[in-house]
Amino acid sequence: NAGVTQTPKFQVLKTGQSMTLQCAQDMNHEYMSWYRQDPGMGLRLIHYSVGAGITDQGEVPNGYNVSRSTTEDFPLRLLSAAPSQTSVYFCASRLQGWQETQYFGPGTRLLVL
Amino acid sequence: AQSVTQPDIHITVSEGASLELRCNYSYGATPYLFWYVQSPGQGLQLLLKYFSGDTLVQGIKGFEAEFKRSQSSFNLRKPSVHWSDAAEYFCAVAERSGANNLFFGTGTRLTVIP
Repeated sequence: NAGVTQTPKFQVLKTGQSMTLQCAQDMNHEYMSWYRQDPGMGLRLIHYSVGAGITDQGEVPNGYNVSRSTTEDFPLRLLSAAPSQTSVYFCASRLQGWQETQYFGPGTRLLVL
Repeated sequence: AQSVTQPDIHITVSEGASLELRCNYSYGATPYLFWYVQSPGQGLQLLLKYFSGDTLVQGIKGFEAEFKRSQSSFNLRKPSVHWSDAAEYFCAVAERSGANNLFFGTGTRLTVIP
C-alpha cells in the first residue's frame, strides 16, 4: 500500500490563479479530509468526505472546493488563490468512526504571492 | 467554547531524560483523545488514542498518555527520550456525538539534546 499520497509537494502561485491539490489513498477508506497547517495554529479542517459523492465543510472552508467522485481520490481546488491561503495542506483518510486510525499524507506546501 | 490547549510551545530535554507534554481540553463531554507526532517535513502519525476504559493508554515508540477526567487533561509521557523523538507533537480531540471534525492543539515542539 502506498497509503495517502499528495501532489504536488510544493507549489508557488500568484494571487488569483487557480490550482488543484491532489490526494489519493489506496486503503479503501470511506472518510477523507483536508487540513491546513499554519504556524502556531495547529491543523484546521477545511473539507471532508464520508464517501464517494458526499462532501461537507469543516472549520475553514472559504476559498476551497472539493468533490469526491471515487473512493480513492479527494482533490482540493483553489479557484482564486489569495496570500492568506499560503499554508501547508494535509490530506488524511480513515475508515468510518474515530476508533479507526487516521492516516495523513506527506503534505503540500503552497506559497501564494 | 470548545478548545484544546497545549501550554508548552517548545520543550528541550536531554537524551535519556523523561518527558511529559501537557494537553488540556474544554468540552461539554469527554471527547475522543489523540496524540500525533510530526517529524520535520512529514505528515502526522498517530501515537495513541483514548476512547474509554483504562485511563493509561500505551502507544507506539514507547509513549503513553494518561486521561484525567477531573483535570480535563490527556498528558503524553515517555520515560526515556531518544534523539529520534525530536519532532512536533499535537494533541487532538473529536466529539463523541459523531461529528467529523478533529480539533488540534497548537502543538509542542520537542528538542532533544545529547
